[in-house]
Amino acid sequence: GEDVEQSLFLSVREGDSSVINCTYTDSSSTYLYWYKQEPGAGLQLLTYIFSNMDMKQDQRLTVLLNKKDKHLSLRIADTQTGDSAIYFCAENDPGNTGKLIFGQGTTLQVKP
Amino acid sequence: EAGVAQSPRYKIIEKRQSVAFWCNPISGHATLYWYQQILGQGPKLLIQFQNNGVVDDSQLPKDRFSAERLKGVDSTLKIQPAKLEDSAVYLCASSLDQGVGYGYTFGSGTRLTVV
Repeated sequence: GEDVEQSLFLSVREGDSSVINCTYTDSSSTYLYWYKQEPGAGLQLLTYIFSNMDMKQDQRLTVLLNKKDKHLSLRIADTQTGDSAIYFCAENDPGNTGKLIFGQGTTLQVKP
Repeated sequence: EAGVAQSPRYKIIEKRQSVAFWCNPISGHATLYWYQQILGQGPKLLIQFQNNGVVDDSQLPKDRFSAERLKGVDSTLKIQPAKLEDSAVYLCASSLDQGVGYGYTFGSGTRLTVV
C-alpha cells in the first residue's frame, strides 16, 4: 500500500536553511505536496510539484524530487521564527480521486 | 472567498457518548473530505463525498462513525458511541472537483477529547 515517511524533528537557527526530507512508495503519484500546520490551525498548502519535474522554486521554498529514489525534499532558505510549524509531505492516491496520503509530519523548530 | 467552516472547535466527551461535527465547505466546491488526525500522526482520510454521493469511505469505522452531506453542501460527521482512541482532530476539506490537480482548502478542525 501507499506509505509516506518523514523524519520527526528538525531544529535550525534563524537565518539558516532548513531541509525537510520525505520518502514515498507509490511511483504512480501525479502530484507531491508540502503542507504547513501551525498550532491549533488546519493545514495550509505551501507548494506542490508535478511528478515529471525535478525541481520547483517558489520564493524561499525549493522542492526537489528524485523519482528514482522516491525522495522528496523541501528547502526553506533564510528560515525565520515564523516558519516554526509541522510540515507534512503528501502524495495523491493511485486512483487519482483527490485523496491524499500524508506522512507523519516533521516538526521544525527555529531558534532565534 | 470564505474558507471552510467547522464547528465546534473543541469538544470533550466521555467514552460511550455520541458527538457530531459540522462542516460548511467553500461555496461551489463539489468535493468534501473528512480527515482524522491523531496526535503525532498525519491526517488520514475517513470519507470523501462528491456532491452528495460517497466516493471513498473505506477507512471509516462504520460500526460507530457515520457521515452525510445533505444537498451536496454542508456535511456532518457523527461518532456513536465514542471510544478513547477516537481522540483526535477532525479536519474537513473541500475542493472544486475530485481528482488530482484540484487544490484543497482545509478548515481549522474540531479537536475531540474522549475521557
